[in-house]
Amino acid sequence: GESVGLHLPTLSVQEGDNSIINCAYSNSASDYFIWYKQESGKGPQFIIDIRSNMDKRQGQRVTVLLNKTVKHLSLQIAATQPGDSAVYFCAENVPGSARQLTFGSGTQLTVLP
Amino acid sequence: EAGVAQSPRYKIIEKRQSVAFWCNPISGHATLYWYQQILGQGPKLLIQFQNNGVVDDSQLPKDRFSAERLKGVDSTLKIQPAKLEDSAVYLCASSLGTGAYEQYFGPGTRLTVT
Repeated sequence: GESVGLHLPTLSVQEGDNSIINCAYSNSASDYFIWYKQESGKGPQFIIDIRSNMDKRQGQRVTVLLNKTVKHLSLQIAATQPGDSAVYFCAENVPGSARQLTFGSGTQLTVLP
Repeated sequence: EAGVAQSPRYKIIEKRQSVAFWCNPISGHATLYWYQQILGQGPKLLIQFQNNGVVDDSQLPKDRFSAERLKGVDSTLKIQPAKLEDSAVYLCASSLGTGAYEQYFGPGTRLTVT
């Protein structure tokens, strides 16, 4: 079946730099996307979401960009901090389901001092 | 607001033994999900409840896994008998329900089957 995937399994950035985490999705019918952050030993934590009728949404230090033409999603983190080190998952809704999400395999972000 | 509670946090069992996990969702959340997360992978949905009814259990290995949410609040997930490949983190999540996509996750139970 179709699934959400990530371009890079690991990403290392210097503290203070901006981070960009990418995600490719294959189900063109998906109309909702969400980014989660998972720290070691914890459950995933909501970061930001976006609906398919938008191409950009901003939160506090985070921005999600959606390119439906190429079915690509990205999470930008401004001024990356040590506390941002975690695994980041993108997820998409399962069209026709009762609010189910399909998760990608995740990107490990490491913030270097 | 209290988050999703899960217990135990860690469990080690031998193969062929049984194990049960407990989840208490956020108060007022009608929808409850159980996920299996194998190391290095994203969460994979096992079962979804709406109140005390099963919405989708198509990915639950029913020969060994079972789950219930009898009173529409707490839920238990059971594995009997466990296999080595069941070693994973079992995550419980809840959401408000109709119209809500955002799911709130508990800390998970790390299961090791030896």
